[in-house]
Amino acid sequence: DTAVSQTPKYLVTQMGNDKSIKCEQNLGHDTMYWYKQDSKKFLKIMFSYNNKELIINETVPNRFSPKSPDKAHLNLHINSLELGDSAVYFCASSQSGTGRSPLHFGNGTRLTVT
Amino acid sequence: AQTVTQSQPEMSVQEAETVTLSCTYDTSENNYYLFWYKQPPSRQMILVIRQEAYKQQNATENRFSVNFQKAAKSFSLKISDSQLGDTAMYFCAFPTSGGSEKLVFGKGTKLTVNP
Repeated sequence: DTAVSQTPKYLVTQMGNDKSIKCEQNLGHDTMYWYKQDSKKFLKIMFSYNNKELIINETVPNRFSPKSPDKAHLNLHINSLELGDSAVYFCASSQSGTGRSPLHFGNGTRLTVT
Repeated sequence: AQTVTQSQPEMSVQEAETVTLSCTYDTSENNYYLFWYKQPPSRQMILVIRQEAYKQQNATENRFSVNFQKAAKSFSLKISDSQLGDTAMYFCAFPTSGGSEKLVFGKGTKLTVNP
């Protein structure tokens, strides 16, 4: 199936740990994103990559580090997890990244930090 | 700053009736795109409809249509013949500009369709 897939679906961990979320798209899109959805359902962009190049880096703690080994993959590594990092993290992709083509989202990863 | 505002945090509608969700935005751009996304309880984000600002005709996708008022910077979503499966959060989204386009989302409207 063509889609944006991210793993894991759920992630429960303790404060101070390091964790990664993986994302892959087989839609042939050039641009990939990480969005964070907080407990109030507000969605905010964190990072955007176009053909492996970082093009958007919002005000995100440097404990968050995206990595794009190729244009089909965008992973998110989080160091020294804090309670406030608990959220749903969405990976997404789009054809051009110009705002003309819609985002295709993964199913989200619910991160719970205890 | 470019913003997207959804003024209705929650709405409810009876099955088979019509409901309209509002969205306003602020931009100085002339050509842009606007999107409505749906997030059902399953958490998946699903594109509902897209409107191109330079097109005067309102976009329609089956039971979903928009009322796009460019001068008023308004982009409302109309759902006709509401179905139980329409129960979801609905987000209006708008890309910023300036060379690093990113989609900015409104805070969402929680729609409940009652049987």
